[in-house]
Amino acid sequence: ETGVTQSPTHLIKTRGQQVTLRCSSQSGHNTVSWYQQALGQGPQFIFQYYREEENGRGNFPPRFSGLQFPNYSSELNVNALELDDSALYLCASSKRAGDGTGELFFGEGSRLTVL
Amino acid sequence: SQQGEEDPQALSIQEGENATMNCSYKTSINNLQWYRQNSGRGLVHLILIRSNEREKHSGRLRVTLDTSKKSSSLLITASRAADTASYFCATDTNAGKSTFGDGTTLTVKP
Repeated sequence: ETGVTQSPTHLIKTRGQQVTLRCSSQSGHNTVSWYQQALGQGPQFIFQYYREEENGRGNFPPRFSGLQFPNYSSELNVNALELDDSALYLCASSKRAGDGTGELFFGEGSRLTVL
Repeated sequence: SQQGEEDPQALSIQEGENATMNCSYKTSINNLQWYRQNSGRGLVHLILIRSNEREKHSGRLRVTLDTSKKSSSLLITASRAADTASYFCATDTNAGKSTFGDGTTLTVKP
């Protein structure tokens, strides 16, 4: 158990709808990263939040947005859902090291299906 | 495009054998990490090797890093059925952003 919890675990949406995924980070961690993992592929970096500010973003459109709260928990919001958004969404928390890198602690993911 | 590329894509071995999987990457890195993922679940961190290190051990795991060739290998010795999973390498080039490859799927037959 990593101490990182995600909700919901599974959800089904239709094209055009909006979804919010939630993540509680491990105690003592101040950084949360979100990844999208399509079936059979590796996780793709969406964005990262450090102390409530976005700190880096991958190649995802603006309809992917996020928040980090003072307790370091985080939300991922996706608007105008498309079929290709169907994937496992992974949240990872970390304690930012001096060199800016560190071990990622992943939650079990939220599996989104878009019909 | 992915920074890391694992090879082979799939590997099937008998219990007790060693499993070796490789990772190649494109740009300079701060460190490289290996993760394991059981089917459809979250990733579990296995080991981190920094760019100034060449080899690291953790239990039955041995990781090497060759920055001149931009490659790393993960060796799992005396494999067990419970090692069946997908294995990913992740490279850190900027502060905190880990970039993953598409993984090696390891099957260990009892």
